[in-house]
Parts: sequence; structure tokens; C-alpha cells
Amino acid sequence: AQKVTQAQTEISVVEKEDVTLDCVYETRDTTYYLFWYKQPPSGELVFLIRRNSFDEQNEISGRYSWNFQKSTSSFNFTITASQVVDSAVYFCALSEGAGNNRKLIWGLGTSLAVNP
Amino acid sequence: EPEVTQTPSHQVTQMGQEVILRCVPISNHLYFYWYRQILGQKVEFLVSFYNNEISEKSEIFDDQFSVERPDGSNFTLKIRSTKLEDSAMYFCASRGTSGVDTQYFGPGTRLTVL
Repeated sequence: AQKVTQAQTEISVVEKEDVTLDCVYETRDTTYYLFWYKQPPSGELVFLIRRNSFDEQNEISGRYSWNFQKSTSSFNFTITASQVVDSAVYFCALSEGAGNNRKLIWGLGTSLAVNP
Repeated sequence: EPEVTQTPSHQVTQMGQEVILRCVPISNHLYFYWYRQILGQKVEFLVSFYNNEISEKSEIFDDQFSVERPDGSNFTLKIRSTKLEDSAMYFCASRGTSGVDTQYFGPGTRLTVL
């Protein structure tokens, strides 16, 4: 069965600290996609990144970086030099590659508070 | 940049009333979804829609729910007889061709059932 686990419910850091949000997934498919979405206090879901199962290269985008490791079924997200504007709930999600559906299976989310 | 839009942003209704939540997906997208998020909880899949029919629906999506794409632009979610537990944020999402797998979300409709 597909499952996404975000074990950290809440994290609180002080501005400029680095923080890593963990995501562990389960799937039987060999083709799948992993995502991170940000949900700021305003409530919308903002797409951050998509990774397919054949691409294990780490990715960096500004202060954000992602570490995808198939061996541990993990897709972790690191924010470097965190800022108050990074305060949000972050969701990791999985979709499997077969068929037209590709619904997203979501983790419970990690609420990140960045304090000044 | 194209975006998914949803109306209304907030809907308050009495238990037992029908509500229709509206979404305008990104114009060249082919796959459409509804998700919901009860306050403070995770996002849950409700239904996916492709080629004018439901591709998959979750256990939550019972006979009280229906979806429709009445014209070339709108995608609606109807709840026939709302219950208190239907209070949630409802998100619409759309996705392009099968080779592009990112779902883009609308800003959500907050439904409050009294």
C-alpha cells in the first residue's frame, strides 16, 4: 500500500538555523513521483518540487534542497538559513506512475515555526 | 502564469443544504481532482476526473458527492445534503498531460456547515 510518513509534527527553529524535514514513503510501484508542497498560514497549497523515481539527483533551489534516497525510501527537505517567511506547514506527497489517476497520497505534514 | 481558481473562498451553509463548489482549472489541463483538508489535518483525496468521467474516488466520496464539468472551463463539486463533518477546506487541482505529473492547486474553498 502507498503511504507517506512525516514523523515530525512540529519543528521550531530560530531564524538563520538550518532545518531538515523528513519524509519516508512506501510504494510497490517502480515508477512513482514525490512532491513537496508548502501551506502557509493563508492556507493555499504551493508546489515546491517534483521528483520521479528514476532521478535520484539531489536538487538545490536557493535556500531549499532535497535529498532523495531510494535505498531508504526517503525524500528529505532542507531549508538553509531559515527565515520567518518559511513558517508554514510542509507536506510530502506521493503519486504512483501507472494509469491516468495519479492521485496524491499525503503525509500528515510538518508544521515549521521560524522565530525571529 | 496560469493558475487554478476556486469560488467561493468561503461558504457557510446549514446542515442538510446543498452546496456547489466551483473550480476553473488551468486551461490546457486534462486531469482534475478534488481534495479536502479538515482543519489541522492532512490533505485527503476525494475524486479524480478525466475525459468527462470519474477515474477514481475515495471512500469519503459517497453518494452525497458528485462532480461535473458542465462546460469547457468549470469543474464543480456538489455536496447534496451537507453534514457537520463536511466542514473542511476543499481544494481543486489540475494536471496537464500524462507526461507532466505536477498537480497545481487552487486557493481552496473553506466550507463551514452549521
